Amino acid sequence: QLQLQQSGPGLVKPSETLSLTCAVSGGSVSSRSYYWTWIRQPPGKGLEWIGNFYYGGRTSSNPSLNSRVSISLDRSKNHFSLTLDSVAVADTAVYYCVGTHLMIRYWGQGTLVTVSS
Amino acid sequence: EIVLTQSPGTLSLSPGERATLSCRASQSVSDNYLAWYLQTPGQAPRLLVYGASIRATGVPDRFSGSGSGTDFTLTISRLDPEDFGVFYCQQYGSSQETFGQGTRVDIK
Repeated sequence: QLQLQQSGPGLVKPSETLSLTCAVSGGSVSSRSYYWTWIRQPPGKGLEWIGNFYYGGRTSSNPSLNSRVSISLDRSKNHFSLTLDSVAVADTAVYYCVGTHLMIRYWGQGTLVTVSS
Repeated sequence: EIVLTQSPGTLSLSPGERATLSCRASQSVSDNYLAWYLQTPGQAPRLLVYGASIRATGVPDRFSGSGSGTDFTLTISRLDPEDFGVFYCQQYGSSQETFGQGTRVDIK
């Protein structure tokens, strides 16, 4: 069973880059059996899909964020990462990492990221 | 983009009652890649059902998912006090995943 542990700063300044990491245990980020996802939830609002990273390096992302989002893997550390460029106050949210295996979705604990000067 | 519409917006029910939640998709969900979650305050969403009808590990059998194509239902046969919160459906069968807006189940 996959377990996901998130890390990263809880405060980012406007116009800077948000970076979060998700450490994976119970499976390999390099395996074709999994794909990796980031999701966020602004305070008091619903859930928003950010993007996916698939085996072989293919990615997909939310068109509303497309040009600012990057998802990558670090095979040596068995983790995957999210970067979001040029953040604004509207990017304040709880960010979740998710791993999918055989249709089952495993979630990280969530990281509140506040964008503020 | 597949738009998911959940209904009703809010349900007010008492423990022991039955709850029926709907999730309707604007187009067919590929291979029934449809999940249901329960989120309680301050917590990450908890996976209840995946593949439209498969209960996740550890989820009580009072939860059941059904449906295919564009119409999906989550039924809770007898509400337990720990079942109150916001329920979300999500489709993850297309290259652009989407969530419903949520159904809040309140204690009456």
